[in-house]
Amino acid sequence: DQQVKQNSPSLSVQEGRISILNCDYTNSMFDYFLWYKKYPAEGPTFLISISSIKDKNEDGRFTVFLNKSAKHLSLHIVPSQPGDSAVYFCAATAGGGTSYGKLTFGQGTILTVHP
Amino acid sequence: NAGVTQTPKFQVLKTGQSMTLQCAQDMNHNSMYWYRQDPGMGLRLIYYSASEGTTDKGEVPNGYNVSRLNKREFSLRLESAAPSQTSVYFCATQGEDVSGPGSSYNEQFFGPGTRLTVL
Repeated sequence: DQQVKQNSPSLSVQEGRISILNCDYTNSMFDYFLWYKKYPAEGPTFLISISSIKDKNEDGRFTVFLNKSAKHLSLHIVPSQPGDSAVYFCAATAGGGTSYGKLTFGQGTILTVHP
Repeated sequence: NAGVTQTPKFQVLKTGQSMTLQCAQDMNHNSMYWYRQDPGMGLRLIYYSASEGTTDKGEVPNGYNVSRLNKREFSLRLESAAPSQTSVYFCATQGEDVSGPGSSYNEQFFGPGTRLTVL
């Protein structure tokens, strides 16, 4: 039962264009969502997050959008740079209490940005 | 500050052998986690420890044991390795969500990983 899904295994974009990575979830108890970026032979690093009380969060070139009714979130990278080439993981959590810290990850999307 | 360190970086085992993966953090975080990453599966939680002296099962705990030795260290043990445990293992830590649920959520910090092959 995959509660967080990233249906696109890979995405290829041109430098300077927008990259849009998508993520769907099924568990309506999820109330916090995160994006992680992972380079080969390294651990994932936190990129950006959003609480379920918001529908948008922006940090520089990165913006995450949340559509709760559709149980869908997306990460926009504008403009894309070759250094953004990495695997991007979407993650979700049900927040505090016994679920605190227990992240559920998607399968990941490999982003390749061509010069 | 080293952040989160993991040893070893690589390991090859034969079926039935045992080994312990080590994780240490200098971030003074209470919570620590062990994940495994497999192709097409993302990261899956094996075990976690919300604080020193406590551990709990995650999504895929079978075949593993853990020890929270102290606040800094959280080890993962494979008692009898199986080929299905071939994977990349990541340790992570997290600070406290002092703001409460629904507000700012402290990110998890990951180690560099251990690549384990079981033949």
